[in-house]
Amino acid sequence: GENVEQHPSTLSVQEGDSAVIKCTYSDSASNYFPWYKQELGKGSQLIIDIRSNVGEKKDQRIAVTLNKTAKHFSLHITETQPEDSAVYFCAATSDYKLSFGAGTTVTVRA
Amino acid sequence: DGGITQSPKYLFRKEGQNVTLSCEQNLNHDAMYWYRQDPGQGLRLIYYSQIVNDFQKGDIAEGYSVSREKKESFPLTVTSAQKNPTAFYLCASRGQSTYNEQFFGPGTRLTVL
Repeated sequence: GENVEQHPSTLSVQEGDSAVIKCTYSDSASNYFPWYKQELGKGSQLIIDIRSNVGEKKDQRIAVTLNKTAKHFSLHITETQPEDSAVYFCAATSDYKLSFGAGTTVTVRA
Repeated sequence: DGGITQSPKYLFRKEGQNVTLSCEQNLNHDAMYWYRQDPGQGLRLIYYSQIVNDFQKGDIAEGYSVSREKKESFPLTVTSAQKNPTAFYLCASRGQSTYNEQFFGPGTRLTVL
């Protein structure tokens, strides 16, 4: 089955700086890579996703890159704001079952 | 307002008791999922159902049971056989037209005393 590893487990950044979270996956058949944001006391919300036919995708301050050869993908948050503080999960799948990374707790310092 | 609802938000039970967590969706999605989240770990799949009256075990199904009698509902029962039931439980659903994207409910935090 798919195995997803996520680093770092915690990340503290100064407001306005960038944050980068990296994930690797094991199954070369995986073709869909979503990123979820979980705020305290809330469920997980999809913030961005990328499919294997694309190398990069941007949505305002958030971008995701995918390197299929190396089997890794990354989340980039630019100009971080206090509301970006949350736990972020990456995931990978080739079908209907998502395999999740262990999560990254991001803290944005004012 | 379309979405996924889970109730209750917080649940407390005594050890040895079965407890059922509710998950309802009005998105007309065929597939539904139950995940468990523990501190420092990613979401782990407990059970999933791709269609009404059908469900499969996920990676950590032992001590849990589900039913899928209606498309909108996918309740999860945490039985007394589950050795460490205290956790945050998340329900998700996926529609045919949403590729692989799963939509999550707000979660239920279960504490077994």
